Amino acid sequence: AQTVTQSQPEMSVQEAETVTLSCTYDTSENNYYLFWYKQPPSRQMILVIRQEAYKQQNATENRFSVNFQKAAKSFSLKISDSQLGDTAMYFCAFMKLGGSQGNLIFGKGTKLSVKP
Amino acid sequence: DSGVTQTPKHLITATGQRVTLRCSPRSGDLSVYWYQQSLDQGLQFLIQYYNGEERAKGNILERFSAQQFPDLHSELNLSSLELGDSALYFCASSVVAPGANVLTFGAGSRLTVL
Repeated sequence: AQTVTQSQPEMSVQEAETVTLSCTYDTSENNYYLFWYKQPPSRQMILVIRQEAYKQQNATENRFSVNFQKAAKSFSLKISDSQLGDTAMYFCAFMKLGGSQGNLIFGKGTKLSVKP
Repeated sequence: DSGVTQTPKHLITATGQRVTLRCSPRSGDLSVYWYQQSLDQGLQFLIQYYNGEERAKGNILERFSAQQFPDLHSELNLSSLELGDSALYFCASSVVAPGANVLTFGAGSRLTVL
């Protein structure tokens, strides 16, 4: 069975600074996706970024980028130039391909507070 | 607006009762997923439907059931409710295609069991 671990329950960062959220996972699968979802106080789950395991290049989306280390089973999220609107719970998630394709396994989340 | 519509947004009921949560997927999405978010268990996958058929089952209790209708909307039925069933229930949808599964979530239905 796959597991996703987020070791930082809470983090804070000053506006305009950079913060990195950690995520590790355990799987015996070779083909899978990794995701970061954001859940602001509105409760909506919003996709931040996605990484295909077969791609060596790290995914980037504007101010958000990942550091994907497949051998170490590590998938961290870097937020640059943090903004007040980045305040939210951030969830790391794993999805294997094939079989019950499409089901996300989530970590427990990291609560990020961006301070003015 | 994500395009995934969930109703009701909030629901308060008593132990032993039965409720139905409804989800309309994003236009064009054939697959619907149900997740439960609680303080104790975090976000847990319950069940997935694809084009009307059950595709995968997760940690769904026997008291819970779901279905997906021909118009692709889905309903999650929760019966014999217990206090521990209080949670945020999310529906998500996706276009199930090889290597293209990005789930889009609805705003959730907050269930409170008193």
